[in-house]
Amino acid sequence: EVQLVESGGGLVQPGQSLRLSCTTSGFIFGDSAMNWFRQAPGKGLEWVGFIRTKTYGATTESAASVKGRFTISRDDSKSIAYLQMNSLRTEDTAMYYCALGAYSSGYWGQGTLVTVSS
Amino acid sequence: DIVMTQTPLSSPVTLGQPASISCRSSQSLVHSDGNTYLSWLQQRPGQPPRLLIYKVSNRFSGVPDRFSGSGAGTDFTLKISRVEAEDVGVYYCMQATQFLITFGQGTRLDIK
Repeated sequence: EVQLVESGGGLVQPGQSLRLSCTTSGFIFGDSAMNWFRQAPGKGLEWVGFIRTKTYGATTESAASVKGRFTISRDDSKSIAYLQMNSLRTEDTAMYYCALGAYSSGYWGQGTLVTVSS
Repeated sequence: DIVMTQTPLSSPVTLGQPASISCRSSQSLVHSDGNTYLSWLQQRPGQPPRLLIYKVSNRFSGVPDRFSGSGAGTDFTLKISRVEAEDVGVYYCMQATQFLITFGQGTRLDIK
């Protein structure tokens, strides 16, 4: 059974950092691209970024709103994807989801809540 | 960026009746590899999104056959043949033909 579990969310002040983890099982992580999405309270879905497999250099793409502040990485030995979030802003407050797959994101985690507030 | 526009934004439906949601993209979603990466997701209250349809018309694993997707180019439709109570939620179209991935605004489906 495919499982994705996000962790690492919490309450932080503006300007601080957080690292989210997406721990996976049930599929060959090393063969899978991973996406990160977010959803602000009461709002729609927003794509955050994406990491390719090592076959494609584990390169990443990210939304303009987070470029230069957020970094996506992966540890294939642990089947975990990471979202390093620096210089957090109040507008980054959201539920953050990881999802399996480059183009269709068939499996999603339950999400982890990030609140940025002073 | 590709802009995705959904209509309607709200859809009250009678149980057992059909429902339809439209999604239009600001440019063609045909990828250079020939595929069209248009998906439909459902988000029930308090739940994460769930993939229903991928590549325009393919039902994802476990999705009931009352859900169907169609369309091409820039115009796409999600249809529910007979709405059930468990279908209440928000439906999003999503394009992944171009990175940045973008979503429609969401269509709220509820029961009359």
